[in-house]
Amino acid sequence: EVQLVESGGVLVQPGRSMKLSCAASGFTFSSFPMAWVRQAPTKGLEWVATISTSGGSTYYRDSVKGRFTISRDNAKSTLYLQMDSLRSEDTATYYCTTDMGPFAYWGQGTLVTVSS
Amino acid sequence: DIQMTQSPPSLSASLGDKVTITCQASQNINKYIAWYQQKPGKAPRLLIRYTSTLESGTPSRFSGSGSGRDYSFSISNVESEDIASYYCLQYVNLRTFGGGTKLELK
Repeated sequence: EVQLVESGGVLVQPGRSMKLSCAASGFTFSSFPMAWVRQAPTKGLEWVATISTSGGSTYYRDSVKGRFTISRDNAKSTLYLQMDSLRSEDTATYYCTTDMGPFAYWGQGTLVTVSS
Repeated sequence: DIQMTQSPPSLSASLGDKVTITCQASQNINKYIAWYQQKPGKAPRLLIRYTSTLESGTPSRFSGSGSGRDYSFSISNVESEDIASYYCLQYVNLRTFGGGTKLELK
C-alpha cells in the first residue's frame, strides 16, 4: 500500500525558515517524480513544486521561486521542502504527492502557519 | 503559465440529479486534464485522468469530456457520498488547478 506521511508543519514567524519532510513507502520512490501541493485555509488547491526522479530537475510556481527548495533522498525514500523567507500567504496545509502527470497518491498533509 | 477557469464555484443538487462542472484553459491543453474530489479535512482523490479515463475505483456515474481549451466533468445520479469539492488540474505544462466547485445538497 502506498503511504506518504508528511511532517514538520508548525507555527513560524514571518521571515523565518522551516523544512517539511515526506516519508514514502509501499512503492519504488526513486521511480516517481514527486511534488508538493498546498491549500490555504478554506481555499483551493495550489501546486507548489515538482522534482524529477533523480532530483536533477526542479520546477516551482512563481510565488515561491527563490524562497522554496524541493529536494529528495532516494536512499531514504524521503521528499523535502525547504521554505525560507516565509510570508503570511504561505499559510496552508502542505501535501506531498506523486507526480506522474496527474497527482495520484497523496499524503494526509501538514499544516504550516506563518504568523507573528 | 496556463490558467484554468472552473465554473460554477458552487452547485446545489438534489439526490439523483445530473451535475456538470466546466474548466476552460487559457490555451490548448491537449486533453491533459484530471479531476479530483476532496472532502473536508481529507486529501484530494484522483477520479479521472486524461480527460475521460476513470481511475480504478471511480464509480461509472462520474465522467469527463472535452478537447482543446474546454472540458467538462459530470456526475449522473448524484449520491449523498458525492457531496464534496471538485477540482480540475491541467498537467500539460507545469501544473495548474481550477478554482474548485463546492457541491452541496439542495
